[in-house]
Amino acid sequence: SSELTQDPAVSVALGQTVRITCQGDSLRSYYASWYQQKPGQAPILVIYGQNNRPSGIPDRFSGSSSGNTASLTITGAQAEDEADYYCNSRDSSGYHPFGGGTKLTVL
Amino acid sequence: EVHLVESGGGLVQPGGSLRLSCAASGFTFSSYAMHWVRQAPGKGLEYVSAISSNGGSTYYANSVKGRFTISRDNSKNTLYLQMGSLRAEDMAVYYCARDFRVDTAMITYYYGMDVWGQGTTVTVSS
Repeated sequence: SSELTQDPAVSVALGQTVRITCQGDSLRSYYASWYQQKPGQAPILVIYGQNNRPSGIPDRFSGSSSGNTASLTITGAQAEDEADYYCNSRDSSGYHPFGGGTKLTVL
Repeated sequence: EVHLVESGGGLVQPGGSLRLSCAASGFTFSSYAMHWVRQAPGKGLEYVSAISSNGGSTYYANSVKGRFTISRDNSKNTLYLQMGSLRAEDMAVYYCARDFRVDTAMITYYYGMDVWGQGTTVTVSS
């Protein structure tokens, strides 16, 4: 299946580390990308490829992958990191599915 | 500066049609594949459609196949989504996004969607 699965919600204490995961068979063959979306705003790309950040994304965001699971880690979470996070990948047919999204709460 | 600006959203009756546009600026539009992604109210992101850089190849999610048509006019730096037979479940914010991938001699790496528009809202209601 090309579908991607994420936990619906995760919370983290301010300044602590949180990992958001994404599972799917396509991740064995293709990279995941990660997007942050705040209410009323368009998504922005925060991690792509093996572990790359677009310009302007803080280095507390990092990515990793093992088998069918990709992870987004925020080391030292800040209040402004509270948002919805989505993973995305592709399959061989041209489908580019998104995960269901994870709502991150910073306590 | 790189920009994508969607337009064309609005209120349409069930069964009706609508054409969305996405105007690109600040980059060589004809060099990039493009995507449409939508988000229903209170829901997550849903992949809709894609088109190759020259328009020769397209992809549609099963949920819109046969009802939506993606196209582009590289001379006008504009991406389109023609939507027909609209249903209540098509009601969403529609985003266009630029494809980000890198071609090597051996393989193409898909890295995601690196530029997004602000979205245009489609409401389907009688």
